[in-house]
Amino acid sequence: QKEVEQDPGPLSVPEGAIVSLNCTYSNSAFQYFMWYRQYSRKGPELLMYTYSSGNKEDGRFTAQVDKSSKYISLFIRDSQPSDSATYLCAMSRVTNSGYALNFGKGTSLLVTP
Amino acid sequence: NAGVTQTPKFQVLKTGQSMTLQCAQDMNHNSMYWYRQDPGMGLRLIYYSASEGTTDKGEVPNGYNVSRLNKREFSLRLESAAPSQTSVYFCASATEETVSYEQYFGPGTRLTVT
Repeated sequence: QKEVEQDPGPLSVPEGAIVSLNCTYSNSAFQYFMWYRQYSRKGPELLMYTYSSGNKEDGRFTAQVDKSSKYISLFIRDSQPSDSATYLCAMSRVTNSGYALNFGKGTSLLVTP
Repeated sequence: NAGVTQTPKFQVLKTGQSMTLQCAQDMNHNSMYWYRQDPGMGLRLIYYSASEGTTDKGEVPNGYNVSRLNKREFSLRLESAAPSQTSVYFCASATEETVSYEQYFGPGTRLTVT
């Protein structure tokens, strides 16, 4: 079992819909939970990160962490065609030589006008 | 600030040729990383450097070497390219001064080995 599991999609929604993206993980050592957005032919860019269980909101984006279930989510409200991208979850943990990030494989999202 | 820069953006190699991918960051980060991204495989860590002068293997190091030239620069070398190394390569950097230790990525190098 991989440490971070993410459904690759693709996910297609109409403009204005609420989008829910999810990841599960198996390693209790993960401390911070991040979401990256990657547009086609670009590098991943950090959207937001959370630490504790609960919700964190940033504009139309809400990140949710449930450590008891080892489950994280990203919600996008009022989705726009410009949100079409691949979304990667990532989780950080301390290692012998510093920190490491474990990435999900990414979910491809298409928002249609 | 340019953030993380990578050169070249595109490269085509023949099997057996060698090349070096360059990466530089201007954010004064201690840690730097090289990933490859392939369809259906996600991001896979090749090598990383927690600080100037140190390097460590990641998940898929075979066929690659790295050099942490100074705090800003981290290069990835393919000594004898193989078609299996056709991929998109991303460099990233991070600092432990941000408690979450998020990584910042460059724009990528698209490499094709024929």
